[in-house]
Amino acid sequence: AQTVTQSQPEMSVQEAETVTLSCTYDTSESDYYLFWYKQPPSRQMILVIRQEAYKQQNATENRFSVNFQKAAKSFSLKISDSQLGDAAMYFCAYRREAWQGGKLIFGQGTELSVKP
Amino acid sequence: EAGVTQSPTHLIKTRGQQATLRCSPISGHTSVYWYQQALGLGLQFLLWYDEGEERNRGNFPPRFSGRQFPNYSSELNVNALELEDSALYLCASSLIPFEAFFGQGTRLTVV
Repeated sequence: AQTVTQSQPEMSVQEAETVTLSCTYDTSESDYYLFWYKQPPSRQMILVIRQEAYKQQNATENRFSVNFQKAAKSFSLKISDSQLGDAAMYFCAYRREAWQGGKLIFGQGTELSVKP
Repeated sequence: EAGVTQSPTHLIKTRGQQATLRCSPISGHTSVYWYQQALGLGLQFLLWYDEGEERNRGNFPPRFSGRQFPNYSSELNVNALELEDSALYLCASSLIPFEAFFGQGTRLTVV
């Protein structure tokens, strides 16, 4: 069975600084997808970034980028130029190859606070 | 374009009662997923429906059930409610193989 682990329950960053959230996963499959979702106090889960396992290039979305290390089964999220609106719970998630369904397996989450 | 919508936003039920939660997916999405987010337990996968069929089920008792209608909307039913069923229930939709988008959730409180 696949598992996702986020070892940092809480993180804090100064506004305009950079922060990295860690995520590791375990799987025996070679094709899969990884995601970072953000859950602000409104509780709505918002997709931040996705990474396909077959792609060697790390995904980037504006201030958000990932460091995907397939061999190490590591998938960290870097937030650059942190803003107050980035404060939220961040979840790392794993999804199997598409034809096997879209069920997401989530990590425990990391609560990010941004200090002005 | 409308996102995933869930109703009601909040629901208060008494132990032993039944709860019905509803979800309307994004237009064109055929898959609907239900997740439970209980305090201290993270997000747990409940059910996956696609094209009207239940495709996968998480590790939950049979009193958690649901269905998907021809218009791809979905219902989650929880029978014989227990106090530990109190949680935020999130619905997500997708068009495989693309990513899932979530609704705002239904907060179920069992008293």
